Amino acid sequence: QQQVKQSPQSLIVQKGGISIINCAYENTAFDYFPWYQQFPGKGPALLIAIRPDVSEKKEGRFTISFNKSAKQFSLHIMDSQPGDSATYFCAASISYGGSQGNLIFGKGTKLSVKP
Amino acid sequence: EPEVTQTPSHQVTQMGQEVILRCVPISNHLYFYWYRQILGQKVEFLVSFYNNEISEKSEIFDDQFSVERPDGSNFTLKIRSTKLEDSAMYFCASSDGASKTQYFGPGTRLLVL
Repeated sequence: QQQVKQSPQSLIVQKGGISIINCAYENTAFDYFPWYQQFPGKGPALLIAIRPDVSEKKEGRFTISFNKSAKQFSLHIMDSQPGDSATYFCAASISYGGSQGNLIFGKGTKLSVKP
Repeated sequence: EPEVTQTPSHQVTQMGQEVILRCVPISNHLYFYWYRQILGQKVEFLVSFYNNEISEKSEIFDDQFSVERPDGSNFTLKIRSTKLEDSAMYFCASSDGASKTQYFGPGTRLLVL
């Protein structure tokens, strides 16, 4: 019940295309859903995050869509660029007190954007 | 822009040896975390730390692991007697608690031989 399932494992997209990565969860107590971007040899960097009271959040070319009833959320990268080539992790956590709890990560999606 | 820093970037050790991984969280942050990532796998939570004590720990964080905030800036992870399966990238993260965002450091790659 603490798992976050992520798909696909890898994704190849042409430059200018839309990249879509999906995640699903079981624990309805999760209340914070971030997406992290990781380049080889680097730490995960927060890309965008959403809370379950919002169905969509957009920041530049990156959009999170959130479906609370289906317990699913997805990352859309519009106009994908070769520089977006990285591994993307969805995550979820339960807030308590003044801070979020530990992040439960999905297994990651390796995105390759072809020029 | 403030960032989490970690030292060393790489560490090679012999099985059974003790290692200490060091982190300097972002200065005004109050919540600290350690995660690990075995090569090619997902990032896994180890432990969270607040107000000088462990808030939460995973089943991975057994008696061989300990954390400490020895002064006002450093946050350390100690592995008392390393095993081959401890080989991984270890990430420190910190959060101010208000934004609920965890900022990750660049990691320490630990190789146990």
